[in-house]
Amino acid sequence: DAGVTQSPTHLIKTRGQHVTLRCSPISGHKSVSWYQQVLGQGPQFIFQYYEKEERGRGNFPDRFSARQFPNYSSELNVNALLLGDSALYLCASSLEGGRYTGELFFGEGSRLTVL
Amino acid sequence: AQTVTQSQPEMSVQEAETVTLSCTYDTSESNYYLFWYKQPPSRQMILVIRQEAYKQQNATENRFSVNFQKAAKSFSLKISDSQLGDTAMYFCAFTWMDSSYKLIFGSGTRLLVRP
Repeated sequence: DAGVTQSPTHLIKTRGQHVTLRCSPISGHKSVSWYQQVLGQGPQFIFQYYEKEERGRGNFPDRFSARQFPNYSSELNVNALLLGDSALYLCASSLEGGRYTGELFFGEGSRLTVL
Repeated sequence: AQTVTQSQPEMSVQEAETVTLSCTYDTSESNYYLFWYKQPPSRQMILVIRQEAYKQQNATENRFSVNFQKAAKSFSLKISDSQLGDTAMYFCAFTWMDSSYKLIFGSGTRLLVRP
């Protein structure tokens, strides 16, 4: 079975541009979470979606948005890119999305560089 | 606010020896989970071990074990018989038992296993 897949794996943008990152969860998983990992730091929680509804949001500006589709895949959108948005963006999936009951599975991430 | 602190940015161990990675956390909650995640150079985050705060017994997974001191809010990871494949970033993480899948990560410890 395929794990969590993310695309693109690497991308370069310039300041002010917009970016869309995509994530496909493990088959059967209904919840997707997004994390931002700046170089040299631990991942920071951005969003969690479960059954197409936002279940949690981290301390990120409104330039960050996300959505989940009926097939449970997800997109993370970032508008008006800043240099500080350069990071590895990790997607993680889980069976459920409410009370923590099981493992969170991570993808390999999308490396975003903003010039 | 909940925080997770890893005070060892880098550690090194000889192959086949034992190493302990430290983690402290701060929370006012009584029910929570603690985790150690491994992030090899390939970037995919993998769960190493999980501890439920209500369990007094320390979790073990083969060569990996934890020393969970709830009163001291300490959660260290011991790796026995270190192998070259253990070379990676190790992240300590926390989540509330009643939360969604919002994990709070520490800043990580880079472990190098020397042949």
